Amino acid sequence: GQNIDQPTEMTATEGAIVQINCTYQTSGFNGLFWYQQHAGEAPTFLSYNVLDGLEEKGRFSSFLSRSKGYSYLLLKELQMKDSASYLCAVRDSNYQLIWGAGTKLIIKP
Amino acid sequence: IAGITQAPTSQILAAGRRMTLRCTQDMRHNAMYWYRQDLGLGLRLIHYSNTAGTTGKGEVPDGYSVSRANTDDFPLTLASAVPSQTSVYFCASSDSPHNEQFFGPGTRLTVL
Repeated sequence: GQNIDQPTEMTATEGAIVQINCTYQTSGFNGLFWYQQHAGEAPTFLSYNVLDGLEEKGRFSSFLSRSKGYSYLLLKELQMKDSASYLCAVRDSNYQLIWGAGTKLIIKP
Repeated sequence: IAGITQAPTSQILAAGRRMTLRCTQDMRHNAMYWYRQDLGLGLRLIHYSNTAGTTGKGEVPDGYSVSRANTDDFPLTLASAVPSQTSVYFCASSDSPHNEQFFGPGTRLTVL
């Protein structure tokens, strides 16, 4: 079967750094995506990894290890507006996205 | 229009009724998708279309149908709604299945 695992909820402090992990087992791998979803809104694209290593985009970075079936999203200099759910999705051998249930990130002042 | 629009924003529907959720995009994207999102579960693909005139089944297609007569529109029809179809429905598009997907604002559907 196909499976994407993420922590259900995390709490962090404004200005700090947080790492959200994602592990996956899928039929084939054609890239991994991270999306942000604020409550009551649509998911929006954050990052994409297809090769091993770190991709940096401003305050957000995403890491991939294909051999370990593992990725993380790193958020630096946390702001209150970063309170949201973060969704990990893997594109499988059929080029369809398999989604994790998401990690709800709570930022405290 | 800019991006993807969905209608209605929300709907309460009696079980057994037929309902069509509308989705329109103005980005000239080839691929379009319908997902449902339920609490505690990831987004689940219902149907997709890689290009106008073609459609395919996703992970949870039963009870739903789609059509793709042109590039811009991708309606989702529930032929006879059941309470288990209560969910938030998102339409998405991408310029190809290889690229990131852009999402519409969603339709919150309640079936009683």
